[in-house]
Amino acid sequence: DSGVTQTPKHLITATGQRVTLRCSPRSGDLSVYWYQQSLDQGLQFLIQYYNGEERAKGNILERFSAQQFPDLHSELNLSSLELGDSALYFCASSASTGLVSDTQYFGPGTRLTVL
Amino acid sequence: DQQVKQNSPSLSVQEGRISILNCDYTNSMFDYFLWYKKYPAEGPTFLISISSIKDKNEDGRFTVFLNKSAKHLSLHIVPSQPGDSAVYFCAARPSYSGAGSYQLTFGKGTKLSVIP
Repeated sequence: DSGVTQTPKHLITATGQRVTLRCSPRSGDLSVYWYQQSLDQGLQFLIQYYNGEERAKGNILERFSAQQFPDLHSELNLSSLELGDSALYFCASSASTGLVSDTQYFGPGTRLTVL
Repeated sequence: DQQVKQNSPSLSVQEGRISILNCDYTNSMFDYFLWYKKYPAEGPTFLISISSIKDKNEDGRFTVFLNKSAKHLSLHIVPSQPGDSAVYFCAARPSYSGAGSYQLTFGKGTKLSVIP
């Protein structure tokens, strides 16, 4: 158990809809990262939040947005969903203390299916 | 442009033998490398890491070797056990980002099957 929790575990929805994925980081971790894993692909970095502020953006679509709340949990919002958005979405957290050895710990993921 | 490449999608090894998983990278800014193991329906689990100031790091049955000049790293598992059967992802990042971001760039993974 990494200590990172994600809900829901599975989500099935229709094209054009909007969904929200939730992540709670490990206790004490200030950074939350979101990654997308499509079929047979590696994990693609989407976005990072650090202590409530956006820190870095990767290949995140404009239809997608995220935020991190004062209690450090994060939500990833996906809107105007398309079939191609079907994927595994992982959240990771790290302490981000500035140490070289900063390590990301991953949650179990949310499997999104868009029909 | 794939900056981290795992050229073997799959690998089969007999129980008790050595498993060697390979990873190549192209970005010269990468100097911290991690291996993650992933079972089906679970998130990636951190396994072992190495900084570019080292060429080897060991943790029990797992050893990671880094050849910085060749931009190549490998994960050795000795001896391999059936419970090691999983997908292994190589990941890389710069050791420091001015923006304080430690986002990881992942390879596509190698599926290891350890045969009893």
